[in-house]
Amino acid sequence: ILNVEQSPQSLHVQEGDSTNFTCSFPSSNFYALHWYRWETAKSPEALFVMTLNGDEKKKGRISATLNTKEGYSYLYIKGSQPEDSATYLCAFSGGGADGLTFGKGTHLIIQP
Amino acid sequence: ETGVTQTPRHLVMGMTNKKSLKCEQHLGHNAMYWYKQSAKKPLELMFVYSLEERVENNSVPSRFSPECPNSSHLFLHLHTLQPEDSALYLCASSWSGEKLFFGSGTQLSVL
Repeated sequence: ILNVEQSPQSLHVQEGDSTNFTCSFPSSNFYALHWYRWETAKSPEALFVMTLNGDEKKKGRISATLNTKEGYSYLYIKGSQPEDSATYLCAFSGGGADGLTFGKGTHLIIQP
Repeated sequence: ETGVTQTPRHLVMGMTNKKSLKCEQHLGHNAMYWYKQSAKKPLELMFVYSLEERVENNSVPSRFSPECPNSSHLFLHLHTLQPEDSALYLCASSWSGEKLFFGSGTQLSVL
């Protein structure tokens, strides 16, 4: 059974502040690490798919880093806005057609 | 609009009922998935179809039965469910295991 852990479970951040949270995953049989944003009453939406150790990806104010040797990824949000409030999910892929193994997510609330 | 359409959005059924969830993708993807989201648990993979071939998942009870008639359509047939099967069921599709595109989900309540 694959173990994908995310911390913290929930996070309250003041509008304008920057924040980050963590995903840890198995370092063996690694193929890719996915990040998704899941807003209330919507579908999960892909943010990043990362495959290379040391990779860093950026989309607007959101960025992510990847360390496949030690099995962790960080997601950073710079200058948080109320629309960033969502649950952020990471998911591990071992490749092939086996689908993704998801963590429980970090529930982020941005307070005005 | 993600390009993945799920129906119905909500479903209430008794333990003796038979119902089906439907998913359709308009993205030209070659893989489709069923995921289950229960309270306080991570998204749990139920079934994968890749190029219309099912990847076995032995941990799913036989009261859940998937069907993938073509690369654009996926069904989940439900029969004699239990109250603990109440959950959000999400369909997703992808191209060869790359990023997933999710439907809006079916919120299922089993009475």
